[in-house]
Amino acid sequence: DQQVKQNSPSLSVQEGRISILNCDYTNSMFDYFLWYKKYPAEGPTFLISISSIKDKNEDGRFTVFLNKSAKHLSLHIVPSQPGDSAVYFCAAPRGVSSGSARQLTFGSGTQLTVLP
Amino acid sequence: DGGITQSPKYLFRKEGQNVTLSCEQNLNHDAMYWYRQDPGQGLRLIYYSQIVNDFQKGDIAEGYSVSREKKESFPLTVTSAQKNPTAFYLCATTQGRGLEQYFGPGTRLTVT
Repeated sequence: DQQVKQNSPSLSVQEGRISILNCDYTNSMFDYFLWYKKYPAEGPTFLISISSIKDKNEDGRFTVFLNKSAKHLSLHIVPSQPGDSAVYFCAAPRGVSSGSARQLTFGSGTQLTVLP
Repeated sequence: DGGITQSPKYLFRKEGQNVTLSCEQNLNHDAMYWYRQDPGQGLRLIYYSQIVNDFQKGDIAEGYSVSREKKESFPLTVTSAQKNPTAFYLCATTQGRGLEQYFGPGTRLTVT
């Protein structure tokens, strides 16, 4: 059961325009979400996160929006740059917050290509 | 220079052989994780360890084994029982109750 879904395997955007990457989830107990960026043959790097008590979090060119009623989050990149071309994964921690580390459930990723 | 080291970057093995992938960290993080990534798929959790001498199975543990004898090291053995071992393997760590996982550079394993 894939609890975090990224239904668009790829997205192409012109440089300077907005990139919008989408993620849907099924588990209403998820209380935190993370976005990771991954280049080929490298490990993912953390990009931005959002707690379920918020509906927006912004960091420079990157903004994540959370719509809890729709169980949907999106990552906006404005303006898009060629260096943003990578695979983007959304992820959510499983279980409840406690003294132990929590596992992450990842979506299948979206390949973003920013065209010069 | 703190970080996570995975070696080697590329690994080739013959079918039927066991192979061990290395993961070392000097971040002093408590928890360590192993994932595999296949083309067009997300990261799937193989094993994780929250403290030394303790580890738990993830979603796809069959055909894999791990050990956590030191805080800094979490090696993954891909056994001959793993039916589709060719994949990109990623090691990650977290500190305490932190939700953000830090990833190593990965090892591409090819079994023929």
